[in-house]
Amino acid sequence: QKEVEQDPGPLSVPEGAIVSLNCTYSNSAFQYFMWYRQYSRKGPELLMYTYSSGNKEDGRFTAQVDKSSKYISLFIRDSQPSDSATYLCAMSASYGGATNKLIFGTGTLLAVQP
Amino acid sequence: DTGVSQDPRHKITKRGQNVTFRCDPISEHNRLYWYRQTLGQGPEFLTYFQNEAQLEKSRLLSDRFSAERPKGSFSTLEIQRTEQGDSAMYLCASSRMSTEAFFGQGTRLTVV
Repeated sequence: QKEVEQDPGPLSVPEGAIVSLNCTYSNSAFQYFMWYRQYSRKGPELLMYTYSSGNKEDGRFTAQVDKSSKYISLFIRDSQPSDSATYLCAMSASYGGATNKLIFGTGTLLAVQP
Repeated sequence: DTGVSQDPRHKITKRGQNVTFRCDPISEHNRLYWYRQTLGQGPEFLTYFQNEAQLEKSRLLSDRFSAERPKGSFSTLEIQRTEQGDSAMYLCASSRMSTEAFFGQGTRLTVV
């Protein structure tokens, strides 16, 4: 079993829809949770960064972390064709106060249809 | 540009040749990471440095791979005797100690 599980999609939605992307994980030591967006043949771009449980909102993006269920989500409101990309969840533990290596999901390919 | 910089962006090499990639992190970041990403997969951790010290290496990092970060600034990743299975995107990221990691655009390696 992988430490981080993510539905690879592809996920196709009409423009303006609300998108929900999810990851589950098995390592209870994970405390830092990130979502990256990756366009084809480009490096991952950081979208959201969350420490421990709770919600965080940034514009059209909302990240949720439920540590009790080991489940994280990213919601995209009013989705746009420019949101079409692969979305990667990533998480890390902390040892000695320092963030450890990131463990990634496989990524979900999102297509927003105009 | 103050982001993470990687060079070259693309590299095509013949099987058996050695290749070296360079990463320049964000200047105030003391942590530097190398990842490898193959098609349809998320990035997989290879190694990371805290300043000039290499603190962890993945079992994916065979003895043909070596990474350095002299003086805690830029880093290099060398692959010796390349194999076709080494074809992938090699990503570098940097961070402060307890903060988010920022990635470069990657070096795409093709071994023919």
